[in-house]
Amino acid sequence: QKEVEQNSGPLSVPEGAIASLNCTYSDRGSQSFFWYRQYSGKSPELIMSIYSNGDKEDGRFTAQLNKASQYVSLLIRDSQPSDSATYLCAVTTGNTPLVFGKGTRLSVIA
Amino acid sequence: NAGVTQTPKFQVLKTGQSMTLQCAQDMNHNSMYWYRQDPGMGLRLIYYSASEGTTDKGEVPNGYNVSRLNKREFSLRLESAAPSQTSVYFCASSQDRLNNQPQHFGDGTRLSIL
Repeated sequence: QKEVEQNSGPLSVPEGAIASLNCTYSDRGSQSFFWYRQYSGKSPELIMSIYSNGDKEDGRFTAQLNKASQYVSLLIRDSQPSDSATYLCAVTTGNTPLVFGKGTRLSVIA
Repeated sequence: NAGVTQTPKFQVLKTGQSMTLQCAQDMNHNSMYWYRQDPGMGLRLIYYSASEGTTDKGEVPNGYNVSRLNKREFSLRLESAAPSQTSVYFCASSQDRLNNQPQHFGDGTRLSIL
């Protein structure tokens, strides 16, 4: 059973701080990694994708991938109250549909 | 720019009734998916269609059937609804699941079975 694990949270950070969200996965053959943001009552929205080891930056978001340790993380710099949401990690080998973690709830306190 | 459109947005059914949830995408994507999302359970894959003319079971297919009507449309049918099927249902699409492309989600259907 392919698994993607995330701490359910809530993760509370003050406004302006860095939020760090972590995800581990079980399938060593995984090739593609995605972070989705889901506001309460809304659908998941893709915010980052990463395919190779290292860091990938997009605005205030940085995705980090370490295939040897089988983890992927998402850093949110200068966190804003509008970043308060559940963040879903999703992983695929490329031959099967995405496997989603259960999500980490982030709360940014003003 | 509609993306993935789901209908209806809300529905209440009685136990034993049947219902079809509709999904259409306008992004010319090959692959389409149906998920359910329950509190504490995350997104669970019900069925998917890698390409027009094919469908495959996901993690929780029991009690559901699907039809890939054409490249744009992928429907989910509950033949005899049960209270355990009360959930939020999301349809998603991707360019091609074999090319590691991300999925794009519709707004969801909130379904209650009484």
